[in-house]
Amino acid sequence: DIQMTQSPSSLSASVGDRVTITCRASQGVSSWLAWYQLKPGRAPKLLISLASRLQGGVPSRFSGSGSGTDFTLTISSLQPEDFATYYCQQAESFPLTFGGGTKVEIK
Amino acid sequence: QLQLQESGPGLVKPSETLTLTCSVSGGSISSNLYYWTWIRQPPGKGLEWIGNMFYSGDTYSNPSLKSRVTISVDTSKKQFSLKLSSVTAADTAVYYCATWATSTGTIEYWGQGALVTVSS
Repeated sequence: DIQMTQSPSSLSASVGDRVTITCRASQGVSSWLAWYQLKPGRAPKLLISLASRLQGGVPSRFSGSGSGTDFTLTISSLQPEDFATYYCQQAESFPLTFGGGTKVEIK
Repeated sequence: QLQLQESGPGLVKPSETLTLTCSVSGGSISSNLYYWTWIRQPPGKGLEWIGNMFYSGDTYSNPSLKSRVTISVDTSKKQFSLKLSSVTAADTAVYYCATWATSTGTIEYWGQGALVTVSS
């Protein structure tokens, strides 16, 4: 199985801050990586596919980069609605695996 | 736009079989764009992929659960289902039905999730 390691596991930030979350795969996954946003009681939301492809309707302040084993999700200017938990997921091979999550909290 | 909705018992006894159903609307369950997927999240923990099934029957399951998992698709009812046998407290989780897009490998559409508690 491909292990996905996210860091940090949590962070505190203020509205307007630039936030970067990293995801590392235990072996190369090319660009087969996605990012999701989870909020309690709501359906999870796909933000980015294929490492850097922004999903329709997702604000442009979100961006993804990386390939191989190292990836980043960046929120350029944190907004109140962005406080949530973020997960990466590899799609290189089965079983599909997720990172441990990064909880973004209000400072 | 696809919409997914989970349904099923919120409480299951240990050693019994957990059964959940996902109703699909806004699109075809016979689409070749997606595999029908189950994912779960135990309280306070991360996401775990359970398995995928194509409408024609092609199936992939997590080896950690494989012997206990059955996923099926009922095209006439526009539903797909999860059966997880011999459950224990460790199977307590929010269970999500979702679609796995074959072109990108991503979980594109998600249900809101259903909490299932395993307890006597």
